This record gives sequence, structure tokens and C-alpha cells, in this order.
Amino acid sequence: DAGVTQSPTHLIKTRGQQVTLRCSPKSGHDTVSWYQQALGQGPQFIFQYYEEEERQRGNFPDRFSGHQFPNYSSELNVNALLLGDSALYLCASTLLMGTDTQYFGPGTRLTVL
Amino acid sequence: QQQVKQSPQSLIVQKGGISIINCAYENTAFDYFPWYQQFPGKGPALLIAIRPDVSEKKEGRFTISFNKSAKQFSLHIMDSQPGDSATYFCAASPRIKAAGNKLTFGGGTRVLVKP
Repeated sequence: DAGVTQSPTHLIKTRGQQVTLRCSPKSGHDTVSWYQQALGQGPQFIFQYYEEEERQRGNFPDRFSGHQFPNYSSELNVNALLLGDSALYLCASTLLMGTDTQYFGPGTRLTVL
Repeated sequence: QQQVKQSPQSLIVQKGGISIINCAYENTAFDYFPWYQQFPGKGPALLIAIRPDVSEKKEGRFTISFNKSAKQFSLHIMDSQPGDSATYFCAASPRIKAAGNKLTFGGGTRVLVKP
């Protein structure tokens, strides 16, 4: 049973560019959340997708957008990258009407130069 | 009101000792309190979780103590081992399933277990 997978593992971009990160949820899960973890800090909630819709959003600008596909996988898009966007981006999956447990993927390390 | 405050920021314990990490929250809508363990370069892994209807939960060497009236909860790692050296995060989420269950994390505690 595969857990949460994310791609790519690492990514280097320059300021102003756009980036797309991908996530496949754990088998049987229908809800995907994205978190940003800056170095030395706890993860910060970006948004959550369920039934292909954004259900909840954290305090992040519109430059951060996402999508969920019919197979429950998800993408995180960030436009007009800033140096401050450098972080580990984590995807977590859960079954919305399940046990509340969220399982995290290994993350994508984004470096903005 | 969404914050979860975690202390200490770092902790050094001898092998076989007890590691204690504390968290406090303000939002009374929080209903689910997990602890995650994270190794460098990896994603957080769920360690143990508790709901407010119980005051303590134990799984192996890990115990959560929960004080609903004080809005505090803590993680105890008994018989700490060098392999426990990692960063630990407390988190909380509300039981509002229809709107999603976003996790609010504490700032993390870096634990180093010396052999």
C-alpha cells in the first residue's frame, strides 16, 4: 500500500518564475492538504482539496493555487516566485469522513534564487 | 486564536531518560491533537494522537497527557533512545469535517538523545 508520494523531490527556480508541485494521496484517501514548512519552523497550512474543490484556505496569497483531479491526486502551483517561497512543501492526505489522521508525503524542497 | 505554542525549542536528554514536550492552545474548537516526528529531509510522521475525551493515551514508549481545562497537552518519551533524535511537532485541528480538518502546528522541538 503506497503512502503519499510527491514529485519532484527537489526544485530550483529563480524569482518571478512559476512552479508546479505534484502529490498522489495514500490509497483510499479523498482529501489532500498542502503545507509550507520554512526551515526550522512548523508546517503552515496552505489549502485543502476535496471533491476537486478548495474547501479551506490558510493565510497565503493568490499566487498559491491548486487543483485536485478525479483520481484524488493534486497539484500546487505558485506564480511569481519570491525568495521567501523557498521551503519544504508538504502534501498530506486523509479520508474526510474518516479518523482525522493525516499522512504526510516526503515533501518537495523548493529553492528560489 | 489559531496558535499552538510549543516548548521547549530544543531538548537534550541522556539515553534512557525521559523527554517531555509541552503544547498550549487557545482555540476551544480544537478537537484532535496529534504529535508528529520529523527527521531531517523527511515529511512528518504521525506518532500518537489524542482527543479531549481522555486525559492520557499511551503507545509503547510514547504518552500524551491532556488537560482540557488548562488547554494544554504534552508528549512524554520514556526510555529515550538515540534513534528518537528528531524534531517533534504538536498539532491541533477542529472536528468540522464538512469544512475540512486543517492542522495548526506548534513551532517544533528538536530532541537530541545522547548515548
